[in-house]
Amino acid sequence: EDQVTQSPEALRLQEGESSSLNCSYTVSGLRGLFWYRQDPGKGPEFLFTLYSAGEEKEKERLKATLTKKESFLHITAPKPEDSATYLCAVQDSNYQLIWGAGTKLIIKP
Amino acid sequence: SAVISQKPSRDICQRGTSLTIQCQVDSQVTMMFWYRQQPGQSLTLIATANQGSEATYESGFVIDKFPISRPNLTFSTLTVSNMSPEDSSIYLCSARSGAAQDTQYFGPGTRLTVL
Repeated sequence: EDQVTQSPEALRLQEGESSSLNCSYTVSGLRGLFWYRQDPGKGPEFLFTLYSAGEEKEKERLKATLTKKESFLHITAPKPEDSATYLCAVQDSNYQLIWGAGTKLIIKP
Repeated sequence: SAVISQKPSRDICQRGTSLTIQCQVDSQVTMMFWYRQQPGQSLTLIATANQGSEATYESGFVIDKFPISRPNLTFSTLTVSNMSPEDSSIYLCSARSGAAQDTQYFGPGTRLTVL
């Protein structure tokens, strides 16, 4: 069965303390892996798409990487405004998105 | 990218009534979707809104409860019918503009509370 698991469920960091969020997946025929950011009371905001193992993408303090079994979202020197829930979704061979439960990131000043 | 707006942004409704949520995209898109998100949980796909034909519903969701319209390539509506408190949730409209592997963009959501 296709599955996406995100860890940890919640992560509290001090401002400037770098860390990584994990998205592990089992899916038949991966078409792509997507990272979104969601602020409370808002819809998910697109961050990255990764299509093949070894691919990396960066945006400001965020860097996403992909292997054959998982993806990492690295956050470098985070700021309080990076606090949000980060969602991972994989697209299967039928182009359906399978969502993880998300990681709630809290950055304390 | 696609910019998506939804109306209303929130509503409080009485049990047994119905609410129609509107979704407008700023450009023509090939696919539109409706999701539900319970508090603190991830997204659950309700249905794919097909232009000019009946929506495709996911397991556990039926047309009588969640009728969907998509009259053109930029607009869709979702109706939550005969509401109960269990329908309280955030309803999200999503769209994909081009190829199947392209990015899905989301609207801001409609927060529904049923009393």
